[in-house]
Amino acid sequence: DAMVIQNPRYQVTQFGKPVTLSCSQTLNHNVMYWYQQKSSQAPKLLFHYYDKDFNNEADTPDNFQSRRPNTSFCFLDIRSPGLGDAAMYLCATSRRLAEHNEQFFGPGTRLTVL
Amino acid sequence: AQKITQTQPGMFVQEKEAVTLDCTYDTSDPSYGLFWYKQPSSGEMIFLIYQGSYDQQNATEGRYSLNFQKARKSANLVISASQLGDSAMYFCAIIQGAQKLVFGQGTRLTINP
Repeated sequence: DAMVIQNPRYQVTQFGKPVTLSCSQTLNHNVMYWYQQKSSQAPKLLFHYYDKDFNNEADTPDNFQSRRPNTSFCFLDIRSPGLGDAAMYLCATSRRLAEHNEQFFGPGTRLTVL
Repeated sequence: AQKITQTQPGMFVQEKEAVTLDCTYDTSDPSYGLFWYKQPSSGEMIFLIYQGSYDQQNATEGRYSLNFQKARKSANLVISASQLGDSAMYFCAIIQGAQKLVFGQGTRLTINP
């Protein structure tokens, strides 16, 4: 089945220790997104890639970076995680950028910062 | 900027009853899309239903239907014949700039046996 896969499902890191979260997709979609969802809050877009074009949200901290080496994979790098970065990180894909395009979400990675 | 408001933080419904989850939105764009997602405790966001701003008819997907009232800027989700497995968080979202989903705060639905 075509899908969006996130690894790992649970990640524990230490304060200030860099961490990378992984997302892969078998849908061959052009667009990949990273959302941050803190406890009891709505998901919030961090950035997205349309093919190789990177689009950062204005309020995404510099601590968060992303890489998309090919169509299938996208990584979220947190350079120096703080306690406030503990959250669920959701990867999503869509075929293209359009109002009617459904975004398909992965199962998420729950990040704990000690 | 676009905004979604979900006024029901939590709802409790008896199994097999129908339930309506409220969603109002604010946008100045003439063209937009509205989505409903379900998020179980496992965390995955599951797409339920979509309504385009120019769609003439209300969207339906199985037990899910969307009561779209454009003049009132309302897009309520109706779940018919609720099941225990429907217990989850439900998010209404609007797509902004053809790329960014803006979510409401969600409604936690609990189905009682």
